[in-house]
Amino acid sequence: AQSVTQPDIHITVSEGASLELRCNYSYGATPYLFWYVQSPGQGLQLLLKYFSGDTLVQGIKGFEAEFKRSQSSFNLRKPSVHWSDAAEYFCAVAITSGTYKYIFGTGTRLKVLA
Amino acid sequence: EPEVTQTPSHQVTQMGQEVILRCVPISNHLYFYWYRQILGQKVEFLVSFYNNEISEKSEIFDDQFSVERPDGSNFTLKIRSTKLEDSAMYFCASRQGMGTEQYFGPGTRLTVT
Repeated sequence: AQSVTQPDIHITVSEGASLELRCNYSYGATPYLFWYVQSPGQGLQLLLKYFSGDTLVQGIKGFEAEFKRSQSSFNLRKPSVHWSDAAEYFCAVAITSGTYKYIFGTGTRLKVLA
Repeated sequence: EPEVTQTPSHQVTQMGQEVILRCVPISNHLYFYWYRQILGQKVEFLVSFYNNEISEKSEIFDDQFSVERPDGSNFTLKIRSTKLEDSAMYFCASRQGMGTEQYFGPGTRLTVT
């Protein structure tokens, strides 16, 4: 069955430190992969997406993610975290063999220490 | 930049009442979706809609739910008789065509009392 796993429920980093949020997916076909950020009570903002091509994708707000097919992973990274990055982050895969519905992970809540 | 809009932003209703959540997808998009996020949980797929019919629905989308595109611009989700467990944020999304991403609306927070 298709699924997305985000192993870390909570992550706390200091401002200025680097960040890596993990995402593993289970999907037999070529995945379309996404990272979204959600601030409390707010909607979903797309950070970046991978459809094909270069496996290192750049997104907004200084985020990047690397697609590794051999590890079924799509980890999100940022070299230097800002206090405003505190939010919940969701990884998602689009089911391209059907209706392109998204399967979301359970999310990682990021806390940033000043 | 075109965006998906949803109304209302927050709806409070009593158990057993009918609610209609409204969405205006991006105008040249052809595929439409509803997702649900119960507080503190992940976003879950409810239903997809294409060519004026449901193309896929999840097990959550039971007979109490229905969707419609009444006038070529709006896309609605109706819950016929709300339950407490329907309290959630509901997101509408649309996409243009094959191989394109979904664009999400800001969500409607539904509170059933």
